[in-house]
Amino acid sequence: DADVTQTPRNRITKTGKRIMLECSQTKGHDRMYWYRQDPGLGLQLIYYSFDVKDINKGEISDGYSVSRQAQAKFSLSLESAIPNQTALYFCATSPGTGAHNTQYFGPGTRLTVL
Amino acid sequence: ILNVEQSPQSLHVQEGDSTNFTCSFPSSNFYALHWYRWETAKSPEALFVMTLNGDEKKKGRISATLNTKEGYSYLYIKGSQPEDSATYLCASLGSSNTGKLIFGQGTTLQVKP
Repeated sequence: DADVTQTPRNRITKTGKRIMLECSQTKGHDRMYWYRQDPGLGLQLIYYSFDVKDINKGEISDGYSVSRQAQAKFSLSLESAIPNQTALYFCATSPGTGAHNTQYFGPGTRLTVL
Repeated sequence: ILNVEQSPQSLHVQEGDSTNFTCSFPSSNFYALHWYRWETAKSPEALFVMTLNGDEKKKGRISATLNTKEGYSYLYIKGSQPEDSATYLCASLGSSNTGKLIFGQGTTLQVKP
């Protein structure tokens, strides 16, 4: 079974709709991250969370919000989706923030906003 | 904000060829350099983490080097195989406190049988 799961895996929606992407992990990691990936660009950090009570904005947080419901769950919301939010979204976890703490990624959610 | 650059953006090689590609990052405020391998329709997976100038890491036919003074890392693949086809991402960890990785745009490798 996958350690980091994302639902849905694919979603097509219309401009203006509210969308929630969910991420769950069984690794027991405190740190969780949401990234988006656009063709030709690297992964860009949207939000990250150190624990349930600690949420931080990344480089491209405008238009997004997050909720850390539990250590294992980190949800990303698009309150009013727009076409330029069409992208591949990844959730990731890490056990800490030392140099050797690699990040473990989910399978991604492909979102299309029409 | 750090700028991490990878080159080339894409690469096509024949099976058996050896290849290498580059990751450039600002040498100031450096903490660690991560390499990830991302196969189509799968999750990115960690290959290496390097922290010290002169570090060399190896996993099978894949190896990486790090030069923190000039701000670059090379990834080498010896005797490329079709299963090496993937996008290789590097990411710089510029601060130890946040765990925030700054990713390059990736190098997509296609190995033809």
